[in-house]
Amino acid sequence: KAGVTQTPRYLIKTRGQQVTLSCSPISGHRSVSWYQQTPGQGLQFLFEYFSETQRNKGNFPGRFSGRQFSNSRSEMNVSTLELGDSALYLCASSLLAVYNEQFFGPGTRLTVL
Amino acid sequence: QKEVEQNSGPLSVPEGAIASLNCTYSDRGSQSFFWYRQYSGKSPELIMFIYSNGDKEDGRFTAQLNKASQYVSLLIRDSQPSDSATYLCAVNERSGAGSYQLTFGKGTKLSVIP
Repeated sequence: KAGVTQTPRYLIKTRGQQVTLSCSPISGHRSVSWYQQTPGQGLQFLFEYFSETQRNKGNFPGRFSGRQFSNSRSEMNVSTLELGDSALYLCASSLLAVYNEQFFGPGTRLTVL
Repeated sequence: QKEVEQNSGPLSVPEGAIASLNCTYSDRGSQSFFWYRQYSGKSPELIMFIYSNGDKEDGRFTAQLNKASQYVSLLIRDSQPSDSATYLCAVNERSGAGSYQLTFGKGTKLSVIP
């Protein structure tokens, strides 16, 4: 079974730009969660989608948004990029809910200059 | 603020020894507990999960859960240099009415010395 895939793997943007990251979950998984990982803050929860609905959201500003499509693929968008948004963005999928086992994709490394 | 606490390490153990990694959590309503291994530059990889009090063994790994003490641990027997990585404890915690999120500790860096 193919794992979680994320595209692109690397991105370099400048302040003020916006970016869209994509995630394809494991086949059959319906829950997709997004995380931001930085050396100082560790892994922080952004949001979770299930059946095209945002089911849960972490403590991030409204510049961070996402969506899920009918095939469970998900995208996240960050608008008006700031230097502090430089991080590894990880997507994880689980069968039905976050209390099931979550499996991570390889991540997208975003650098904001 | 729900929290998951881990010693940041580094924890150094000789090859062949038992490595013991610990984690405490704040939400008494948490139902599921996970250990992830993350190599430098890679994404987290799920190695163990546990839902009930007691021990759960899988090969060289044993997860231990004590809900009364809000404590979960991971034992790695016969540690190998390839086990050198950062180990992340994750706990599903309530974030609102009927909703949960996975909260991660900041990880313990393990170094296995040949």
